[in-house]
Amino acid sequence: DAKTTQPPSMDCAEGRAANLPCNHSTISGNEYVYWYRQIHSQGPQYIIHGLKNNETNEMASLIITEDRKSSTLILPHATLRDTAVYYCIVRVPNAGGTSYGKLTFGQGTILTVHP
Amino acid sequence: SAVISQKPSRDICQRGTSLTIQCQVDSQVTMMFWYRQQPGQSLTLIATANQGSEATYESGFVIDKFPISRPNLTFSTLTVSNMSPEDSSIYLCSVDEGWGDTFGSGTRLTVV
Repeated sequence: DAKTTQPPSMDCAEGRAANLPCNHSTISGNEYVYWYRQIHSQGPQYIIHGLKNNETNEMASLIITEDRKSSTLILPHATLRDTAVYYCIVRVPNAGGTSYGKLTFGQGTILTVHP
Repeated sequence: SAVISQKPSRDICQRGTSLTIQCQVDSQVTMMFWYRQQPGQSLTLIATANQGSEATYESGFVIDKFPISRPNLTFSTLTVSNMSPEDSSIYLCSVDEGWGDTFGSGTRLTVV
């Protein structure tokens, strides 16, 4: 699986948009970009994923560059409860194409949302 | 999404003993995963557990130390054997739901 690079930490003011970057310059054509977060003392939580089109759900938006070498996770209105470690992971479907195989976690970005 | 019950939530164990961690899912899933998270570190995959087959272990993890059972599509166990203080970590299970993974809340293990 391709390696990802994220800044170790970021700050964001409550109510403002949090934009978390991720570099995945060696991504392959069939690898998806996944984002998870881990709030302190909890298991990781799925946020969003995409292949090449931008995606949006109730939690966040995912913007993937046209060359797919980088992406940005956007939390449109950050709250204090969004303080967590955010992981960007690239992942290839398994041989049967019915699931997305194992996750390889990097160190992630510690996002701190302050009042 | 699936609901995962992981037990125990925490335990303190004596070195040389073994602990079995249970992961119960409220729906049938094909792929389950076991992770370790050492203090202050990210998650590391231990093994993939598919029902009806032997678990597939990642580099650095062996079956004798971390035996896994997967008797059906809703349940799995991970045993941490012959524990030492270096095994003190959070152990988590997860299931692949096709669109993403859902994680249990973890087992915080302290070995003394």
